Amino acid sequence: KNEVEQSPQNLTAQEGEFITINCSYSVGISALHWLQQHPGGGIVSLFMLSSGKKKHGRLIATINIQEKHSSLHITASHPRDSAVYICAVPTGGTSYGKLTFGQGTILTVHP
Amino acid sequence: DAGVTQSPTHLIKTRGQQVTLRCSPKSGHDTVSWYQQALGQGPQFIFQYYEEEERQRGNFPDRFSGHQFPNYSSELNVNALLLGDSALYLCASSPPGGTEAFFGQGTRLTVV
Repeated sequence: KNEVEQSPQNLTAQEGEFITINCSYSVGISALHWLQQHPGGGIVSLFMLSSGKKKHGRLIATINIQEKHSSLHITASHPRDSAVYICAVPTGGTSYGKLTFGQGTILTVHP
Repeated sequence: DAGVTQSPTHLIKTRGQQVTLRCSPKSGHDTVSWYQQALGQGPQFIFQYYEEEERQRGNFPDRFSGHQFPNYSSELNVNALLLGDSALYLCASSPPGGTEAFFGQGTRLTVV
């Protein structure tokens, strides 16, 4: 079993829909990262959170440390949100050290 | 601030050759991590450099080596290239205290 599991692997939505991507992990962590990767491109860090909830524009990330689960929500989705969304957790003992990544969720938003 | 910059952006090498990839961290960041991302897969941790030393290492053979310079920039070297080394190589930098991680755009390496 992978240390970090994401669901769903693929997600298709219509513009304006509310999107939820889930991440479960099996190791104890100090923080969790949500990242975005566009085709052929590098990775952009969206959030790093260790408790509760963070919001940035239309993106909301939540984490439940006790349940070892995090969610990324996108409100009023737009075609430009189409990308791969990846959660990652530090497994090297620090919040910024060796990151172990989920397999990613491919999001496609149609106009 | 240019953020994390990697060079080159694309590279084609022949099996058996050696390659050097470069990473300049975001201003104020002192820690550099390298990841390999094969097509359709999530990134895999190669190693991390801090204070010019390798601090952590993932499950990669000794053909993969690195270096960090006094200005915190870093190099990733891969010797005796294999077809399976074809991937996107990502560099990430973190500041003192490690409150965030910034990624570069990556170097796309193709081994033929």
